Amino acid sequence: SYVLTQPPSVSVAPGKTARITCGGNNIGSKSVHWYQQKPGQAPVLVIYYDSDRPSGIPERFSGSNSGNTATLTISRVEAGDEADYYCQVWDSSSDLHVFGTGTKVTVL
Amino acid sequence: EVQLVESGGGLVQPGGSLRLSCAASGFTFSSYWMSWVRQAPGKGLEWVANIKQDGSEKYYVDSVKGRFTISRDNAKNSLYLQMNSLRAEDTAVYYCARDSGPAAAGPIDYWGQGTLVTVSS
Repeated sequence: SYVLTQPPSVSVAPGKTARITCGGNNIGSKSVHWYQQKPGQAPVLVIYYDSDRPSGIPERFSGSNSGNTATLTISRVEAGDEADYYCQVWDSSSDLHVFGTGTKVTVL
Repeated sequence: EVQLVESGGGLVQPGGSLRLSCAASGFTFSSYWMSWVRQAPGKGLEWVANIKQDGSEKYYVDSVKGRFTISRDNAKNSLYLQMNSLRAEDTAVYYCARDSGPAAAGPIDYWGQGTLVTVSS
């Protein structure tokens, strides 16, 4: 089955830029979605179809996807961005949604 | 406002059964694919199953095939997950979620708050 690999953790200082990668075989040919999950809460969609932002999500959140890596970028990081982040694709060969392993973002 | 409210979780013995329900409101339920996603304690997200608008297509993760059944009642704006032959590794918070795209492949744009299923003797 299709595997999505994320770094377990990313640390970033307030005001700086955090980049979270999501690796998968030829992921650039798929649509990637990103979710933010804070402790004790349900996930929230922050980026869909590689780079689109749902209404209400700050412009500081952006996404890209090419080759074997998709990236979620959080600019001007704030304390409130501290959370777990998951990438997700639809694996059409197996007919199922696949989530990445998740990345914990810590704001220093 | 879109709302998804799960119910039916609880403690069940290994080998037992449980039926989860999800009450949807604030949108035209019959127009959307719907999913169940679970999260074991301290672990990541795992998609479990989804179902087409009219119930004619259903997809499952391999680990639950033959044990879990997803269904829906559009007249009642409700989604269900029948879980049989439960195992300790099925212990998780189960989220009801809305697939936003016209097909099964779209992003999941709304989530419920989840219901905890604990499988233990």
